[in-house]
Amino acid sequence: QVQLVQSGAEVTKPGASVKVSCKSIGYTFTDYYVHWVRQAPGQGPEWMGWTNPNSGDTKYAQKFLGRVTMTRDTSISTAYMELSSLRSDDAAIYYCARSLNAPSPTHYCYFDYWGRGTLVTVSS
Amino acid sequence: DIQMTQSPSSLSASVGDRVTITCRASRDISRFLNWYQLKPGKAPRLLIYAASTLQGGVPSRFSGSGSGTDYTLAISSLQPEDFATYYCQQTYTTFALTFGGGTTVEIK
Repeated sequence: QVQLVQSGAEVTKPGASVKVSCKSIGYTFTDYYVHWVRQAPGQGPEWMGWTNPNSGDTKYAQKFLGRVTMTRDTSISTAYMELSSLRSDDAAIYYCARSLNAPSPTHYCYFDYWGRGTLVTVSS
Repeated sequence: DIQMTQSPSSLSASVGDRVTITCRASRDISRFLNWYQLKPGKAPRLLIYAASTLQGGVPSRFSGSGSGTDYTLAISSLQPEDFATYYCQQTYTTFALTFGGGTTVEIK
């Protein structure tokens, strides 16, 4: 049974960093891209980027360039998303999700399994 | 970035009703359009991909249609477990995937 199991809720301070993990269970970790999506209260989801667990390649949304780092540890089938220089508007639920294909105009890309989300609170 | 505009933002409906949600892209996304269902505390669920392909395990009362810039999610006969928030997502742009603002389906 495919599962993406995320780490627990985090409470952080402005200016600090947070690192969220996403453990993949029930499938070959290196066969699927891992995406990170966040949803702030009252807003729609926001895509942050992806990592290719096989190659380690990453692509980040323009908005997060310089502040986000997505990594993976293939030995434990786990992907990580670290966001730095946190601000109050980074408070959100952070999700990981997988896709077979990378986004492109030639291959359909869709997120068929998601984690349950990790609540990140930013408060001084 | 491609903007995705969903309507309505919320609706009230009864069990058994037919419900339709629309999603309009700011430019042609060539059916690179997915629909998800979100419920608090649960993992989001893929319903439809490539505009009209039903994800495995999703009930056939869900259907998707559309092309170009305009897409629709329909639920033919609303069930109690369908009360949730629904989002469209475009994956046509390589490094700027975007979601709609969501449609919350509430019990009338």
